[in-house]
Amino acid sequence: DQQVKQNSPSLSVQEGRISILNCDYTNSMFDYFLWYKKYPAEGPTFLISISSIKDKNEDGRFTVFLNKSAKHLSLHIVPSQPGDSAVYFCAARTGNNRKLIWGLGTSLAVNP
Amino acid sequence: ETGVTQTPRHLVMGMTNKKSLKCEQHLGHNAMYWYKQSAKKPLELMFVYNFKEQTENNSVPSRFSPECPNSSHLFLHLHTLQPEDSALYLCASSQAGIATDTQYFGPGTRLTVL
Repeated sequence: DQQVKQNSPSLSVQEGRISILNCDYTNSMFDYFLWYKKYPAEGPTFLISISSIKDKNEDGRFTVFLNKSAKHLSLHIVPSQPGDSAVYFCAARTGNNRKLIWGLGTSLAVNP
Repeated sequence: ETGVTQTPRHLVMGMTNKKSLKCEQHLGHNAMYWYKQSAKKPLELMFVYNFKEQTENNSVPSRFSPECPNSSHLFLHLHTLQPEDSALYLCASSQAGIATDTQYFGPGTRLTVL
């Protein structure tokens, strides 16, 4: 039973438009969420995170929104660039537990 | 070298072989991890080491044997593996004890067991 779900295996957007990647979770004890991106032949790279005490965190073109009541978070990339084409993973953890629970990832393709 | 490095990048082994995967982190971190990524499955945490001490073993079969001689190096010793152990094995490190504790990953070793 997956605790972190990324229901869209893939997403395609035009360069300059907004990319929205979604993530749902089932464990209400999760209090810290992270997004990683992964290029082929490389390990995942940390992108942005959010604590459960916030509902939004922004870093440049990347913004993560958290809706605790819906147990849903989303990553917005605006404007999208071809270099953003990668697999994006959502991950979550509880308290000081170092174990991250990962989603299956969403493959984003940004077309020029 | 910077970041987290892993060797080899690719490994093909038979079920009776013994091999080792190596990970080295150049970030001054004190926690290291082994993950397994199989096709169509989420990343699975295998082992966690904190200050060279193993703090987590997620029910990993004994044919996988980790070793952490110091905070910068982590090994995964492999013996009598099965074909279903074929996967991408990722190493990560982090600075334990801080709130964010972001994990930094190496490029992975693509393992194929024949």
